Amino acid sequence: EAGVAQSPRYKIIEKRQSVAFWCNPISGHATLYWYQQILGQGPKLLIQFQNNGVVDDSQLPKDRFSAERLKGVDSTLKIQPAKLEDSAVYLCASSLGAREVKETQYFGPGTRLLVL
Amino acid sequence: GEDVEQSLFLSVREGDSSVINCTYTDSSSTYLYWYKQEPGAGLQLLTYIFSNMDMKQDQRLTVLLNKKDKHLSLRIADTQTGDSAIYFCAEMPLAGSYQLTFGKGTKLSVIP
Repeated sequence: EAGVAQSPRYKIIEKRQSVAFWCNPISGHATLYWYQQILGQGPKLLIQFQNNGVVDDSQLPKDRFSAERLKGVDSTLKIQPAKLEDSAVYLCASSLGAREVKETQYFGPGTRLLVL
Repeated sequence: GEDVEQSLFLSVREGDSSVINCTYTDSSSTYLYWYKQEPGAGLQLLTYIFSNMDMKQDQRLTVLLNKKDKHLSLRIADTQTGDSAIYFCAEMPLAGSYQLTFGKGTKLSVIP
């Protein structure tokens, strides 16, 4: 079974530029998550989708970050304009979303963003 | 709200056992997870335990849960150099939107 795919793996941009990340979850997984992991920290949830609807985006800085999952499968996360403090690893995860007792999340390899 | 605390570093000799500790705060029913992150990689699920269990064993991994103290530990038997990584404890309350709250991670260094 293929895991969660993310691209690109690395991205270097200058501040005030725009950047987009792509995620393809595990086949059949209805729930998709985007996390931000700053160096030395644990991942922090940015946004959670159930199919193509947003479940929680309370920690997404909406003045510069946006995310979509139009067809309920792939998702993109965009930052516009980027700031120096956005340098981090952006992790995508997915889970079955069957509202079962155990909703294990499986993570992709992440996209490493460096803002100069 | 949830808060997960871990010690930041642990160093052990190859062949010894490693014990990584974690404390959590959520008092409701919850799942507790251990993830492993190797350099430059995403998070790999190692094991999980439900808050009504005391122990779970899976090959070299043993998870112990002290519900009274909200203390979770991960024991790795016969630690190998390939176990060197950052280990994250995370909790998922069953109420709400099934979201994970992570600790800051424990960096395990295995000395040959």
